[in-house]
Amino acid sequence: GQQLNQSPQSMFIQEGEDVSMNCTSSSIFNTWLWYKQDPGEGPVLLIALYKAGELTSNGRLTAQFGITRKDSFLNISASIPSDVGIYFCAGLETSGSRLTFGEGTQLTVNP
Amino acid sequence: KAGVTQTPRYLIKTRGQQVTLSCSPISGHRSVSWYQQTPGQGLQFLFEYFSETQRNKGNFPGRFSGRQFSNSRSEMNVSTLELGDSALYLCASSFTPNTEAFFGQGTRLTVV
Repeated sequence: GQQLNQSPQSMFIQEGEDVSMNCTSSSIFNTWLWYKQDPGEGPVLLIALYKAGELTSNGRLTAQFGITRKDSFLNISASIPSDVGIYFCAGLETSGSRLTFGEGTQLTVNP
Repeated sequence: KAGVTQTPRYLIKTRGQQVTLSCSPISGHRSVSWYQQTPGQGLQFLFEYFSETQRNKGNFPGRFSGRQFSNSRSEMNVSTLELGDSALYLCASSFTPNTEAFFGQGTRLTVV
């Protein structure tokens, strides 16, 4: 099925560093969502973006909905060990609840 | 407010058997979607239900089916299980279609 192009695939950083990851698509989405998934668990919604150009923050997380509606990025500032996990972007189709997911970014934070 | 509840958490089945997974959405949510997650294919959309009607279906064989009840609870069924059906099956609930989705913890299905 269709997937979003998410990069990087993995990141190894030191505690306290900032992190940036992004997603691009050939399709337009009206809503972008960012999720974090821990091993063996379901994805947890971090941020939802509804308007092109929108910049939204949730604590140390900031995400933006690209102007073209075909991309989005997520920044994590001052990373901490509990930020470890897999981060997924997802685009929500206009006609329903079908989410198209990126391949995920595996984040490792070294204390 | 309780989150999305999926049961069971873990299942081991034999090839050829069938399985039924259950999902109770967040109270007040009427849209339920199902996803399959595997290391090789990532998160793949299975189907979506709203008000007991299937609105959308992913690219999966007919062995995968689902339904939604009047209380918005949903079940998915996989018949004639194959080894490749081993995956984490995730259910997501939304207040209505086209609103943000919240996931359950998933059901880990292993087919042996």
